[in-house]
Amino acid sequence: GAVVSQHPSRVICKSGTSVKIECRSLDFQATTMFWYRQFPKQSLMLMATSNEGSKATYEQGVEKDKFLINHASLTLSTLTVTSAHPEDSSFYICSARPTSGRAWGTQYFGPGTRLTVL
Amino acid sequence: AQKITQTQPGMFVQEKEAVTLDCTYDTSDQSYGLFWYKQPSSGEMIFLIYQGSYDEQNATEGRYSLNFQKARKSANLVISASQLGDSAMYFCAMREGVGVKTSYDKVIFGPGTSLSVIP
Repeated sequence: GAVVSQHPSRVICKSGTSVKIECRSLDFQATTMFWYRQFPKQSLMLMATSNEGSKATYEQGVEKDKFLINHASLTLSTLTVTSAHPEDSSFYICSARPTSGRAWGTQYFGPGTRLTVL
Repeated sequence: AQKITQTQPGMFVQEKEAVTLDCTYDTSDQSYGLFWYKQPSSGEMIFLIYQGSYDEQNATEGRYSLNFQKARKSANLVISASQLGDSAMYFCAMREGVGVKTSYDKVIFGPGTSLSVIP
């Protein structure tokens, strides 16, 4: 099956620093990637939709200046949490939708990145 | 308003028995897709099954089947012959907005159901 990787899998940082998370589709091209965050015992909340070569579309309530998304190629999207604070601690999951194939484009998920801000 | 409802926060099932996880959804789109994902304690999201709104037959994938009742807007997941490894969170998800509403073409998730399989 299609593989999506995320790096790093776990990161601990000090408050005020910025953290970059990479999401890569390893064996397919993805025009569209999605970034979700998940708090403990809760569901996945969509943060933004990332389209290759264009600006990301953010969901209501998500600060675009705080969560910078760059989808520079058909296999890579990055999420940068700027000036991270403890409330940004969460599990961040990306998913990628293959460019070609099944019309409805099943999304493939990365393994997630656990961010802890001290 | 919540678009996807999973009314069972937690479920228990005896090993080898079948279990049904409920999911209802709300959409005004005619064309949409419904998914079920499994999330074990490791956190990875595992795709289980997909049902398109125009699919006339219920989707099946091995031990997983989707009981799709379009008029009731429900898409329940049935797991047959439960195994201990089935213990996990299960999320129902919906994709809508394909085509015309491209800015809304995204997958959103329900609150999830925690399934515990008892030996």
